[in-house]
Amino acid sequence: EAGVTQFPSHSVIEKGQTVTLRCDPISGHDNLYWYRRVMGKEIKFLLHFVKESKQDESGMPNNRFLAERTGGTYSTLKVQPAELEDSGVYFCASSPRGTGNSPLHFGNGTRLTVT
Amino acid sequence: QKEVEQNSGPLSVPEGAIASLNCTYSDRGSQSFFWYRQYSGKSPELIMSIYSNGDKEDGRFTAQLNKASQYVSLLIRDSQPSDSATYLCAAALRGYQKVTFGTGTKLQVIP
Repeated sequence: EAGVTQFPSHSVIEKGQTVTLRCDPISGHDNLYWYRRVMGKEIKFLLHFVKESKQDESGMPNNRFLAERTGGTYSTLKVQPAELEDSGVYFCASSPRGTGNSPLHFGNGTRLTVT
Repeated sequence: QKEVEQNSGPLSVPEGAIASLNCTYSDRGSQSFFWYRQYSGKSPELIMSIYSNGDKEDGRFTAQLNKASQYVSLLIRDSQPSDSATYLCAAALRGYQKVTFGTGTKLQVIP
């Protein structure tokens, strides 16, 4: 079984540019989550998809961040325009259907550096 | 106050010893608790989950939960150098919805 895949693994962009991160969850996993770890801080929840619907986006920092999951398969997270404080590691995680105690499977993350 | 608090470490233990990792949480509504292990540059990997008061053992790992004290711990017996990693404590109000993480404790097992 292929794990959660994230692309790119690293991205370096300048302030004001746009970056799009992609996550391919484990096949058949309805739940998809985005998390972010800023240097020295804890991993923080950004949002949760159930299939193509946003279940909870309370962790999104501001309207420069846009997440989509068209068709309920892969997801993208776009940052436009990027700011310096957006630098960090963006993790995607997925879990099977349901709100029970299914474990989160994490991808290796995308390290974003905004200069 | 952070929602999930951990000592950042590093915690150094000799090979073969017991490593004890601790965590406190602030939301009394939390029902699910997890320990993740994260090697440098890798994804967090779930190693233990616990939902009720008491101990839960899995191999060399024992998770302990005390909801009255809002305290979670992880014991690693017979620590191995391969256990050297950052251990993340996490809590959720219900199942795996909106898991809240601590900053992690770095464990170093000295051969």
